[in-house]
Amino acid sequence: DIQMTQSPSTLSASVGDRVRITCRASQNSRSRLAWYQLKPGKAPKLLIYEASNLEGGVPSRFSGSGFGTEFTLTISSLQPDDIAVYYCQQYNTYPWTFGQGTTVEIK
Amino acid sequence: EVQLVESGGGLAQPGGSLRLSCAASGFTFSDYEMNWVRQTPGQGLEWLSNISISGTSTLYADSVKGRFTISRDNAKNSLYLQMNSLRAEDTAVYYCASGDGYFLKWGQGTLVIVSS
Repeated sequence: DIQMTQSPSTLSASVGDRVRITCRASQNSRSRLAWYQLKPGKAPKLLIYEASNLEGGVPSRFSGSGFGTEFTLTISSLQPDDIAVYYCQQYNTYPWTFGQGTTVEIK
Repeated sequence: EVQLVESGGGLAQPGGSLRLSCAASGFTFSDYEMNWVRQTPGQGLEWLSNISISGTSTLYADSVKGRFTISRDNAKNSLYLQMNSLRAEDTAVYYCASGDGYFLKWGQGTLVIVSS
């Protein structure tokens, strides 16, 4: 199985800060990488697919980049509504696998 | 509005069974592959199973292969997960999600607790 490793596990930043979350795949996943946002009691939300494509309705402060084994989710200006856990997921190879999650907090 | 609503979770005994359902609305259910994904307290998210648009092709994670069965009824806009031989480690929130590869839309989940 492809192992997905996210860093950091927890991130504390101020409103307006630029925030980056890294996801590393144990094998080449090409650009078949998605990012999700999870908030308690709400349905998980797709943010990014194909590594860099912004899902419709997602604020433009979210962006994704990377290819192969290293990927990044960037929030250009952190907002209070962005408090959540973020997961990456590869869908290049079965079984599709997720990273362990990154908790984003406001400092 | 696109909606996926899971139901059927609850408390089950080890070795027991549960059947989860997912009711879809607001989109053409029969146009999308569907999946079950679970979130365990310590293990994060885990993809469990995928079913093709027609329902004739299914895939499973090794952790549930042979114990869980995914199915769908396009006439009823519904997805199902039959869970047999439940184990304590199956305790999780179970989500249904649409998509082939990445998961476009998710439900809010249903909690399954496996305990004696």
